[in-house]
Amino acid sequence: QKEVEQNSGPLSVPEGAIASLNCTYSDRGSQSFFWYRQYSGKSPELIMFIYSNGDKEDGRFTAQLNKASQYVSLLIRDSQPSDSATYLCAVNVGPGTASKLTFGTGTRLQVTL
Amino acid sequence: EAGVAQSPRYKIIEKRQSVAFWCNPISGHATLYWYQQILGQGPKLLIQFQNNGVVDDSQLPKDRFSAERLKGVDSTLKIQPAKLEDSAVYLCASSFRTGEPEQYFGPGTRLTVT
Repeated sequence: QKEVEQNSGPLSVPEGAIASLNCTYSDRGSQSFFWYRQYSGKSPELIMFIYSNGDKEDGRFTAQLNKASQYVSLLIRDSQPSDSATYLCAVNVGPGTASKLTFGTGTRLQVTL
Repeated sequence: EAGVAQSPRYKIIEKRQSVAFWCNPISGHATLYWYQQILGQGPKLLIQFQNNGVVDDSQLPKDRFSAERLKGVDSTLKIQPAKLEDSAVYLCASSFRTGEPEQYFGPGTRLTVT
């Protein structure tokens, strides 16, 4: 079982719709969870992080965490063509200096006009 | 604030040759990371430094890869000898300290081994 699993996609949504991106992780000791956006040929860019169960909203983005189900998701409201990118889920296991990020393979999102 | 700098941006070498990549993190960032990202995959951590000490190098293929951060600022990653499967983008990232939520990534070095 992979440590961090994502559907590779592509996930295609029309402009203005809600895009829902999902991620599951295997290590119950995981403490913090991140969503990075990566445009083709570019480096990853952090867009959201979440530590506690529940929802965290930032503009059009909402991260949702359910530690009991080992599940984290990212919702993008009012999707725009500029949101078309690969979204990487990353999980941080371990405190302090022992912590490191493990990334999923990413989900490619396509927002169509 | 200047971002993470990396050079070169692109490199093409033949297998069994050696190659080195350079990274300069954001000023004041104590933690530096080297990742390998193979096409279609997420970044994989190769090595993590806290100042000039290694925190984690468990996924670094030590028979051919080496990295150093001698003065706790910039860092070099070397591959010797290179294999075809080393073709990837090598990303450097930094954070203020280990465990900080935000890692800032550099533009990466795209390595092609022929």
